[in-house]
Amino acid sequence: QSALTQPASVSGSPGQSITISCTGTSSDVGIFDLVSWYQQYPGKAPRLMIYEVNKRPSGVSNRFSGSKSANTASLTISGLQAEDEADYYCNSYTPSNTYVFGTGTDVTVL
Amino acid sequence: EVQLVESGGGLVQPGGSLRLSCAASGFTFSDLYIDWVRQAPGKGLEWVGRTRNKGNNYDTTYAASVKGRFTISRDDSKNTVYLQMNSLKTEDTAVYYCVRALNFAFDYWGQGTLVTVSS
Repeated sequence: QSALTQPASVSGSPGQSITISCTGTSSDVGIFDLVSWYQQYPGKAPRLMIYEVNKRPSGVSNRFSGSKSANTASLTISGLQAEDEADYYCNSYTPSNTYVFGTGTDVTVL
Repeated sequence: EVQLVESGGGLVQPGGSLRLSCAASGFTFSDLYIDWVRQAPGKGLEWVGRTRNKGNNYDTTYAASVKGRFTISRDDSKNTVYLQMNSLKTEDTAVYYCVRALNFAFDYWGQGTLVTVSS
């Protein structure tokens, strides 16, 4: 199972919106609405930000939203803030009862 | 408060074995699935495997990269999950996270424990 493809880096100015893509195949992202997104600060454990494509866990800002079209999922951060500077990973469940992560995206707030 | 605390990491030679533990608290452990996720130094996240609950016969699933070498087990009486790692390779060097699985996502993570495979 190959890793899902994410852009290596995305940047934006405070207040802007950015979108991180996560491209898989019809055997992972495209087959189920079971994509999740994680935020990770350096040296820290990841944090769940979105599950089941577009659902936010309690405590996650509504500036974070998710969507999916065919084999590509997306995470949008609106009203970008300095605290959003982190690495972001997507993840998808697969039909073989396994999971695959994305390659990761480094978000920089200019 | 949900907590997952890993232990057992350290330095091991290639071909060696190591067992990691994950002590859970703050939720009904026996009801839920627990997974392991790892992260090599400076690299991305990699899913390692899962143990399901008693209702699903404690069934386990593994990533292809560790299948046949790693074994996940659990002791519901101790709220603990184990990751037995055998035939370790240098490419298994990583921080290993214990994670709670819910709604096909990983909603709580431990702090991680570092495993270094080196001669």
